[in-house]
Amino acid sequence: AQSVTQLDSHVSVSEGTPVLLRCNYSSSYSPSLFWYVQHPNKGLQLLLKYTSAATLVKGINGFEAEFKKSETSFHLTKPSAHMSDAAEYFCVVSDRMAFSGTASKLTFGTGTRLQVTL
Amino acid sequence: DAGVTQSPTHLIKTRGQQVTLRCSPKSGHDTVSWYQQALGQGPQFIFQYYEEEERQRGNFPDRFSGHQFPNYSSELNVNALLLGDSALYLCASSIRSGATYNEQFFGPGTRLTVL
Repeated sequence: AQSVTQLDSHVSVSEGTPVLLRCNYSSSYSPSLFWYVQHPNKGLQLLLKYTSAATLVKGINGFEAEFKKSETSFHLTKPSAHMSDAAEYFCVVSDRMAFSGTASKLTFGTGTRLQVTL
Repeated sequence: DAGVTQSPTHLIKTRGQQVTLRCSPKSGHDTVSWYQQALGQGPQFIFQYYEEEERQRGNFPDRFSGHQFPNYSSELNVNALLLGDSALYLCASSIRSGATYNEQFFGPGTRLTVL
């Protein structure tokens, strides 16, 4: 069975300071890992994904995440927060399918609400 | 490109009623997945349709059923509604190909309230 644990339900940072959203995962197989962002009244948007290539993954809007197998972690970071980053962030895991191509089911964490203050 | 669309946006039903939610996938996509997002929680996988058949199913009772049409659009049906079914229902589409992973694109969701 696969699962993710988001270690903080709420994170508050000042604009211009670094962002760290923590995620640990559990997977029986070699996982694919993702971070999605959900702005109020908007759909989920993919920030970045790890699918067994480089362990340091760069995404949109300056976000990046590092896959650390020894720590079963996939923390999301950004050097400098912007007011527009305020949203709900979800860490997501997907086990590789036995055959490639079919979309694997996504298992979401409970989310981390990022607040950005002036 | 219209992206993934869902209808209706909001819906209010009473306990015991039945509801149908609709999803049109992104152009060129042939696979549709449905997720339930309760307030304050992450989305939970309900099921996935490809080639008009249910291919995967999450831990949801048989009251939840679906359908996929030849044009790849999909419906989610919930019978005998319970108060606990109140949630945001999300549809995601993707394309089946030889790639190891194909991104799922999410729609804005349908907010279902059961009274």
